[in-house]
Amino acid sequence: SQTIHQWPATLVQPVGSPLSLECTVEGTSNPNLYWYRQAAGRGLQLLFYSVGIGQISSEVPQNLSASRPQDRQFILSSKKLLLSDSGFYLCAWSSTSGRGEKLFFGSGTQLSVL
Amino acid sequence: GQQLNQSPQSMFIQEGEDVSMNCTSSSIFNTWLWYKQDPGEGPVLLIALYKAGELTSNGRLTAQFGITRKDSFLNISASIPSDVGIYFCAGLSISNYQLIWGAGTKLIIKP
Repeated sequence: SQTIHQWPATLVQPVGSPLSLECTVEGTSNPNLYWYRQAAGRGLQLLFYSVGIGQISSEVPQNLSASRPQDRQFILSSKKLLLSDSGFYLCAWSSTSGRGEKLFFGSGTQLSVL
Repeated sequence: GQQLNQSPQSMFIQEGEDVSMNCTSSSIFNTWLWYKQDPGEGPVLLIALYKAGELTSNGRLTAQFGITRKDSFLNISASIPSDVGIYFCAGLSISNYQLIWGAGTKLIIKP
């Protein structure tokens, strides 16, 4: 069965510090991968998605970047965090075969920038 | 851009009551998905709908794909404490194959 791992679960970082969140998927090959952000009590905002290694699409201009160095690894990064980067970050995957619209989410990272 | 209007934003109900929430849009979708998010966790898929008029159940949950393909509703019967959380709808756009998300319905059960 497929599983998705996301870490860390919580993170407190000072303004101006770098960020690296990692997500890995097991049990499937060539998944579509996604990074979402969720502000407190709000909906989901798509940040990045990837259909393959090295292929990243950005949905909104921001202080963040994403990379996909391996087929089942997706990394969210920032060189200098802003206060506005605080939020709940979710990684998700979907299959590229069949009904690929179903997204399966990781357990999230709660990021607090102070 | 495309938007989904999800309502209500929040619901306070008594245990045992039935719950109804819906999503509407001015755009047509070819797939509707309903997710539930527990506090501090990622959303979990509850029901997927693929055809206009389709009615699908998952235990006490029932969801329907609107005939016009512009709306969907989710009903929860006989709510229990573990039903609390945020429920999200998502529609797959026929124009760009992007998943569009509703803002969520927060379900709170009064003690």
